[in-house]
Amino acid sequence: DVKVTQSSRYLVKRTGEKVFLECVQDMDHENMFWYRQDPGLGLRLIYFSYDVKMKEKGDIPEGYSVSREKKERFSLILESASTNQTSMYLCASKSLETGSNQPQHFGDGTRLSIL
Amino acid sequence: RKEVEQDPGPFNVPEGATVAFNCTYSNSASQSFFWYRQDCRKEPKLLMSVYSSGNEDGRFTAQLNRASQYISLLIRDSKLSDSATYLCVVNQAGTALIFGKGTTLSVSS
Repeated sequence: DVKVTQSSRYLVKRTGEKVFLECVQDMDHENMFWYRQDPGLGLRLIYFSYDVKMKEKGDIPEGYSVSREKKERFSLILESASTNQTSMYLCASKSLETGSNQPQHFGDGTRLSIL
Repeated sequence: RKEVEQDPGPFNVPEGATVAFNCTYSNSASQSFFWYRQDCRKEPKLLMSVYSSGNEDGRFTAQLNRASQYISLLIRDSKLSDSATYLCVVNQAGTALIFGKGTTLSVSS
């Protein structure tokens, strides 16, 4: 069974702080993703990565950066947290096996509040 | 134009009812399709993939119409535990999955 682990379920930070959200998967998946989910807006893709040291911007990358130094780990960084980044953050991973017809597997999510 | 569109609902049905959700997608190059289920304050979980010929998993049936760019999910004999948000998901080759905003189902006794 695929396991995607996010480092924190709940996190409270202050405006202006640098925030790190960590995600680890144990299935040797090539692709990893960071989303945020807000009421009425659904899941929005922030960044994704096809492989180690590779990253691609998603739909809403502004105010975020990512790091993929190891295949199993994909970190989301809020360089200077702002209140509009209060949200539920979801990490996912996906295998490249047999082409694109593979689902994504999600972590439990991190509820981040910026005060 | 939204890439994946769903009726947000909510759909309120009694136990035992049959309920159907529809979803349309805008990119004809889309190659794979899924339905995910998300419970309140939890992460999305894969419910089922959707195949061109249609597929069934117990009380759940998924259909794909490529010509109309339309996906459906049918739930028969609804249970209380089916109450959740159902996300329609589409993938084009080499890109991230694209999620609809979800359809909320509430099953009552």
